[in-house]
Amino acid sequence: GDSVTQMEGPVTLSEEAFLTINCTYTATGYPSLFWYVQYPGEGLQLLLKATKADDKGSNKGFEATYRKETTSFHLEKGSVQVSDSAVYFCALSDKGFQKLVFGTGTRLLVSP
Amino acid sequence: GAVVSQHPSRVICKSGTSVKIECRSLDFQATTMFWYRQFPKQSLMLMATSNEGSKATYEQGVEKDKFLINHASLTLSTLTVTSAHPEDSSFYICSATYLGGTEAFFGQGTRLTVV
Repeated sequence: GDSVTQMEGPVTLSEEAFLTINCTYTATGYPSLFWYVQYPGEGLQLLLKATKADDKGSNKGFEATYRKETTSFHLEKGSVQVSDSAVYFCALSDKGFQKLVFGTGTRLLVSP
Repeated sequence: GAVVSQHPSRVICKSGTSVKIECRSLDFQATTMFWYRQFPKQSLMLMATSNEGSKATYEQGVEKDKFLINHASLTLSTLTVTSAHPEDSSFYICSATYLGGTEAFFGQGTRLTVV
C-alpha cells in the first residue's frame, strides 16, 4: 500500500538556520502531497501542498517540490524562527485530501 | 479558518472501561469526519470515515465493535473506545470537512492511556 517515510526527529536548529526535513513516498498512482504542521496544543494545519509532478508548494517561507523521479517532497525553509518550532507531518492522498496517509512526524526545535 | 475542537486532550482510564472522545466543528457544518490514530513512533493511520447521518466506514483491520463512531449531527462526531485495553493507548485525532470543501481541518488530538 501507499506509505510515507520522513526523517526522525527531533531536528534542533538555531534561529535563522536553513531547514530541510526529508520526505519520501511510495504510491501506486499519482497522489497529491501535503505538509501539515502541528503547533503545541493545536490541531494539524495544512502548511502546503502539491498535486502533480514538479509542482512547488509554498507558504510562510516554507516550500516543497513534488519530485516524481525521486518520489520525494522535502520541506525547506531558508531561515527558521523560534515560532516555527512544531511537529511537521508529510502526507499523501490519491483522493484529494481524503484518506490521507501520513508519515511519523518530525519535531522541529528552534532555539534563539 | 475553520476550527475543529477535540475533547478531551488527555485521558487516562482503567482497563475494561469505555472512553468517549468528542470532535466538534465550531464554525462550519462537518458533512464528513475522519478519525486517525498514531501509535508511538508510527504514522498517523486512518481508522474510519463518517458522513453525517450514515454509518462509518472503517479501514481494514479496525474493529468496528470496539471503536464506535457516531456522527449524528453536522457539528459533532464521537469515537467511543469500548472495553479499552493497554494496547489501545494511542494518540487519536479527528478531522472534518464540509460539503464541497477542498481541505480537511484537524482537531488537537486526544492522548489516551489505558492502565
